[in-house]
Amino acid sequence: EPEVTQTPSHQVTQMGQEVILRCVPISNHLYFYWYRQILGQKVEFLVSFYNNEISEKSEIFDDQFSVERPDGSNFTLKIRSTKLEDSAMYFCASSAPRQGANTGELFFGEGSRLTVL
Amino acid sequence: GENVEQHPSTLSVQEGDSAVIKCTYSDSASNYFPWYKQELGKRPQLIIDIRSNVGEKKDQRIAVTLNKTAKHFSLHITETQPEDSAVYFCAAIETSYDKVIFGPGTSLSVIP
Repeated sequence: EPEVTQTPSHQVTQMGQEVILRCVPISNHLYFYWYRQILGQKVEFLVSFYNNEISEKSEIFDDQFSVERPDGSNFTLKIRSTKLEDSAMYFCASSAPRQGANTGELFFGEGSRLTVL
Repeated sequence: GENVEQHPSTLSVQEGDSAVIKCTYSDSASNYFPWYKQELGKRPQLIIDIRSNVGEKKDQRIAVTLNKTAKHFSLHITETQPEDSAVYFCAAIETSYDKVIFGPGTSLSVIP
C-alpha cells in the first residue's frame, strides 16, 4: 500500500541554522500538507499546497518557513533560521487522489523530529 | 477561521466500558468531520469520519454522531480494549480540504 515517506526521521540542529525536511507524498495525491506537533500537544496546521502553490497557511507559517515541490515527487519544508520553539515533530500529509472519490482523508508520514539546541 | 474544541482532555475507562469524546466546531461551513487515532510515537491515522449529510455512522465498536445545528460531534467507543489506549483527535473541514483543523486531543487510557 502506498504511503507518505519523510526524511530525516530525527534531526538535531543549532539555533539559527537552516533545516530542510523532506517528504514524498503518495504519488497520485493532489494536496500536500505540513503539520507540527510539539511534544504532548495538538497537531497544528502549518500549510497546504495544491497545484504547485500554497493553498492555505496558518499564523505559525511565517517568513521563516517555506515549502517547495522541486520535482514531481518531493515536497520540502524549509526553516531558515531555527529557534528553540521550532523543536517539534513535523508531519507531512497528502490527500485527494487524482482518480476516484476524494474522501478527504489525510495520509500522514511517520514524521520528522526536529530538535533545536 | 475554524476552531475545534474537544473534551475531555484525558479519559480513563475500565476495559469493556464505553468511552465518549465530544467536539465542537465554530465554522458552519464545515461539512466533513474525521477522527484520528495517534498511538504513542506514531503518526495520526483515520479511524472513522462523518459528513454533514448524515447524523450517525458506525464501524464495529466505533461510532460517530453529528449534530450540525448545535455544531458538535462525538466519538463513541464501546467494549473498550487496552489497544484502544491512544490520543484521539477530532477535526473539521470544508470540502475544499485546504485546511484541516484538529482539536486539542483526548488521551484515552483503557485499564485492563
